[in-house]
Amino acid sequence: KAGVTQTPRYLIKTRGQQVTLSCSPISGHRSVSWYQQTPGQGLQFLFEYFSETQRNKGNFPGRFSGRQFSNSRSEMNVSTLELGDSALYLCASSLGTGSFEKLFFGSGTQLSVL
Amino acid sequence: GENVEQHPSTLSVQEGDSAVIKCTYSDSASNYFPWYKQELGKRPQLIIDIRSNVGEKKDQRIAVTLNKTAKHFSLHITETQPEDSAVYFCAATNQAGTALIFGKGTTLSVSS
Repeated sequence: KAGVTQTPRYLIKTRGQQVTLSCSPISGHRSVSWYQQTPGQGLQFLFEYFSETQRNKGNFPGRFSGRQFSNSRSEMNVSTLELGDSALYLCASSLGTGSFEKLFFGSGTQLSVL
Repeated sequence: GENVEQHPSTLSVQEGDSAVIKCTYSDSASNYFPWYKQELGKRPQLIIDIRSNVGEKKDQRIAVTLNKTAKHFSLHITETQPEDSAVYFCAATNQAGTALIFGKGTTLSVSS
C-alpha cells in the first residue's frame, strides 16, 4: 500500500501571498488531519476532515483553511502569509473510526515565508 | 486550555540502558494517549498507544504506562539501541475528543 503523499515537498513564498498544500491519504483511509511543526512549538493540530466535512478544528486563525474531496484527498490553504507561518506542515491519515487514532503521517511540506 | 508537558527535552543514554520519557496532561477526560517517533528528516511514526481504560501496554522493547489519578503517562524503552535515537512525541486527546495535543518532544540519543 502506498503511504501518505504530500506535495509539494518544499515551498518558498513571500509575505502576503497564499499557498495550497496537497495530501493524498492511504487508500481506504477516510480521515485526514493537518499539523504544523515548528522547532519552538512542536506539533500543533490544525484541523481534521472526514467524508468531505471538517470534523474538528484547532486554534488557528481563519487564514488557515482546508477541504477534502470525495476521494479523501485533502488540501490546505493559507492566505495572507506571515513570516511566522514558516513551518513543516504535516498531514496524517487514518481509517477515521476515531478522529486521532493510528495516524499515518506524510513526509510534510516545508514552507518558508520570506 | 488543554496542555501536555513532556520531560525531559533531551535524554542521552548508553546502548543497552533503559530510557524513560514522562508526560503529564491537564484534562482528566483525555482518553487516548499515543507516542510517535520521528527520526531526523523523516515523518513521525506511531510506536505505541494506550487508552484510558488500560494501565500498561507492551510491545517488545517498548512499553507505556498510564496513571490516570496523577494524569501522567510514560514511555519505557529497554535495551536501547543506536537506531532508537530520534525525537519522541507524546500526545493526548482533549476532553471533547476533538483535538490531539502533542508534547514538545524528547530528543533521545543512544550512544554505542
